[in-house]
Amino acid sequence: AQSVTQPDIHITVSEGASLELRCNYSYGATPYLFWYVQSPGQGLQLLLKYFSGDTLVQGIKGFEAEFKRSQSSFNLRKPSVHWSDAAEYFCAVGPGSYIPTFGRGTSLIVHP
Amino acid sequence: DADVTQTPRNRITKTGKRIMLECSQTKGHDRMYWYRQDPGLGLRLIYYSFDVKDINKGEISDGYSVSRQAQAKFSLSLESAIPNQTALYFCATSETAQNTGELFFGEGSRLTVL
Repeated sequence: AQSVTQPDIHITVSEGASLELRCNYSYGATPYLFWYVQSPGQGLQLLLKYFSGDTLVQGIKGFEAEFKRSQSSFNLRKPSVHWSDAAEYFCAVGPGSYIPTFGRGTSLIVHP
Repeated sequence: DADVTQTPRNRITKTGKRIMLECSQTKGHDRMYWYRQDPGLGLRLIYYSFDVKDINKGEISDGYSVSRQAQAKFSLSLESAIPNQTALYFCATSETAQNTGELFFGEGSRLTVL
């Protein structure tokens, strides 16, 4: 069965610092991978997705993620965090016709 | 207007009451889902539907039921609410044709059971 692990429950960074949120998945074939963001009081919004091809994918709001098959990882990065990036971030694996599986989320706190 | 609309956005109720959360979508998607979000537990799937005549249980369906009234409408019911059903509930949609698993979410319905 597919699974997603986000090892960090909370991450605290200073505004302007770089960010990396970790995501590891378990799936037997090439996965479809997603990062979603949930701002306070909002639903989840897709940040970026990986289906195939270039393993470095660009998303909205200056985020990027890199698919590493050998490490079963899909880590999310941003070179310079803004206060408005404070939110909950979810990694998900959704291979084709199957139901997407979500990680437990990482809460990002941004200090001024 | 939002593509996926949930009503009500907030609801406070008492133990034993029947509650219905409604979801409607204008995206034309055939698949619809209900998720529950609890702090530290992420999103857990309650029920999902791949078309109007299709209803499937997710990982935490006990205590819940659903109805797919039309392609665009998918409602979640709590027949007799209990306090541990206090949570944030999300409706989501996806498209079979693309077959990618990408979900489109409503803004959530926060339910408090006293």
